Amino acid sequence: SQTIHQWPATLVQPVGSPLSLECTVEGTSNPNLYWYRQAAGRGLQLLFYSVGIGQISSEVPQNLSASRPQDRQFILSSKKLLLSDSGFYLCAWAGQRDQPQHFGDGTRLSIL
Amino acid sequence: DAKTTQPPSMDCAEGRAANLPCNHSTISGNEYVYWYRQIHSQGPQYIIHGLKNNETNEMASLIITEDRKSSTLILPHATLRDTAVYYCIVRPATGNQFYFGTGTSLTVIP
Repeated sequence: SQTIHQWPATLVQPVGSPLSLECTVEGTSNPNLYWYRQAAGRGLQLLFYSVGIGQISSEVPQNLSASRPQDRQFILSSKKLLLSDSGFYLCAWAGQRDQPQHFGDGTRLSIL
Repeated sequence: DAKTTQPPSMDCAEGRAANLPCNHSTISGNEYVYWYRQIHSQGPQYIIHGLKNNETNEMASLIITEDRKSSTLILPHATLRDTAVYYCIVRPATGNQFYFGTGTSLTVIP
């Protein structure tokens, strides 16, 4: 069966520090991969998605970037974090055609 | 870019059926309707999806109107553990993006 791993579960970072969140998927090949952010009490905002290695689509201009160095690995990064980057970050994967997304457990990021 | 409209909140008595509506009046012929739920501080959980026909699985039933402009998620016997935010999403089979709106916060009351 397919599983998705996302870490760390919580992270506290100072303003201006770099960020790297990692997400890996097991049990499937060539998945579509997604990064979302959820502000407190709000819905999910799609940040990036990828349909293959090295292919990244950005949904909103921001202080973050994403990379997909391997088929089942998706990384969210920032060179300098802002206070507004705080939130709950979720990674998800989906198969082809009408298959639904499946989410990781998320990373709660607090910027001080 | 959410294409759906849902009531912000609903209550349901424990043991009764919870009927959560969703309007998607601009849905296209090749777009599926998906339902997810999110319990506080967890990632969203997939519930069910459909294109035209009604669907049922071990968690819920999905009723899609004939004109496909709205749908209803039915939790047949709501329990306290069904308290969550429920999201309705439309997405084409060939599309890559899933856009989540603000969902419906369902509270199951003892």
